[in-house]
Amino acid sequence: GAGVSQSPRYKVAKRGQDVALRCDPISGHVSLFWYQQALGQGPEFLTYFQNEAQLDKSGLPSDRFFAERPEGSVSTLKIQRTQQEDSAVYLCASSLVSGRGYEQYFGPGTRLTVT
Amino acid sequence: AQTVTQSQPEMSVQEAETVTLSCTYDTSENNYYLFWYKQPPSRQMILVIRQEAYKQQNATENRFSVNFQKAAKSFSLKISDSQLGDTAMYFCAFMKNSDSNYQLIWGAGTKLIIKP
Repeated sequence: GAGVSQSPRYKVAKRGQDVALRCDPISGHVSLFWYQQALGQGPEFLTYFQNEAQLDKSGLPSDRFFAERPEGSVSTLKIQRTQQEDSAVYLCASSLVSGRGYEQYFGPGTRLTVT
Repeated sequence: AQTVTQSQPEMSVQEAETVTLSCTYDTSENNYYLFWYKQPPSRQMILVIRQEAYKQQNATENRFSVNFQKAAKSFSLKISDSQLGDTAMYFCAFMKNSDSNYQLIWGAGTKLIIKP
């Protein structure tokens, strides 16, 4: 079956521009996670959705970052007024059930470069 | 705050050898989950193995097994009979089991190279 997909795969933005990154989770998956992965480092948690509810947004680095999942399926991560330090790969993952110990299925990521 | 440390930035072994990747973590929690994920070059992150902290028995998945030492806060991954396809970044990750927290805390990763 289809896995997690993300679009665009690559995005170049000029500093100060707004960007929107899309995640299509596996159909029927309840949980959705966003991570930020800087070059050569492990991912860092950004936010978590259970269906359409954003239950944990403690990892969002600033109020320039905003995520939504209005119908409990597709999610969008929006970054306003991008800065160079926002350059990273943004990973989306979904999980079939809610809860903490379950396997997360990852998308290929969106590589964001801010110039 | 929880932290995860992977002290080996890179390892290299011959095909068919056994290799162990180390991971230590710091937490005051008693109930949590530990994971090893694999990120092959230019491919998606996939789960290798998971361990629930309340289970004393070490998890195994075919050629992959863990040595979970709760008191020492250590969670190493052993890969037996290594194959070329095992070449990847390996990340150790921790998630505590509490009501409002869904953060998966990741180590910096170990780059594993399997040589033919």
